Amino acid sequence: EPEVTQTPSHQVTQMGQEVILRCVPISNHLYFYWYRQILGQKVEFLVSFYNNEISEKSEIFDDQFSVERPDGSNFTLKIRSTKLEDSAMYFCASSEFTVVAFGSGTRLTVV
Amino acid sequence: AQSVTQLDSQVPVFEEAPVELRCNYSSSVSVYLFWYVQYPNQGLQLLLKYLSGSTLVKGINGFEAEFNKSQTSFHLRKPSVHISDTAEYFCAVKETSGSRLTFGEGTQLTVNP
Repeated sequence: EPEVTQTPSHQVTQMGQEVILRCVPISNHLYFYWYRQILGQKVEFLVSFYNNEISEKSEIFDDQFSVERPDGSNFTLKIRSTKLEDSAMYFCASSEFTVVAFGSGTRLTVV
Repeated sequence: AQSVTQLDSQVPVFEEAPVELRCNYSSSVSVYLFWYVQYPNQGLQLLLKYLSGSTLVKGINGFEAEFNKSQTSFHLRKPSVHISDTAEYFCAVKETSGSRLTFGEGTQLTVNP
């Protein structure tokens, strides 16, 4: 069964550093997403991406975040200058239309 | 804007007992409803979905859920649980015209021998 693949599974970065989280969505999917889950909290929507542009973003997704689909298969989330509060599990997801499939997540720890 | 409330943060049950995990949602427009499961150190796996049609939907691993529009609920049930069902369960809602999923706080189901 096709799946969303995320790399790396764990990443530790120093506060103020830039970090890029990578994802390979399911190949025939048209919509791509990033969600995050701070430890002990609910899963929160960050951004959705369709037809090479952001289609919706949450209030969390401020100027320090950006997304890109650099080629036909990858989808990335960049955090420009990480803060301690960015520590969370970041989930990439994709969908053909309605049903969203999630990756296993990247656990980001900002120290 | 939509919201989801999962009424129980933790549900302990014994193996082979029935279980119900409760979910209520709020939205001013039509929605799709989902249940996802998260096993320890893993991602979110779709259990089942309600898009339209029959209000009783069946999912993987013997789970089912019933959409009740008048009570704005989408409770998850299983008649007999196994140890392997121990996981966190998330209810989620998506507006039919929107792209974002809104999740509830999650319910930790613990099945004891």
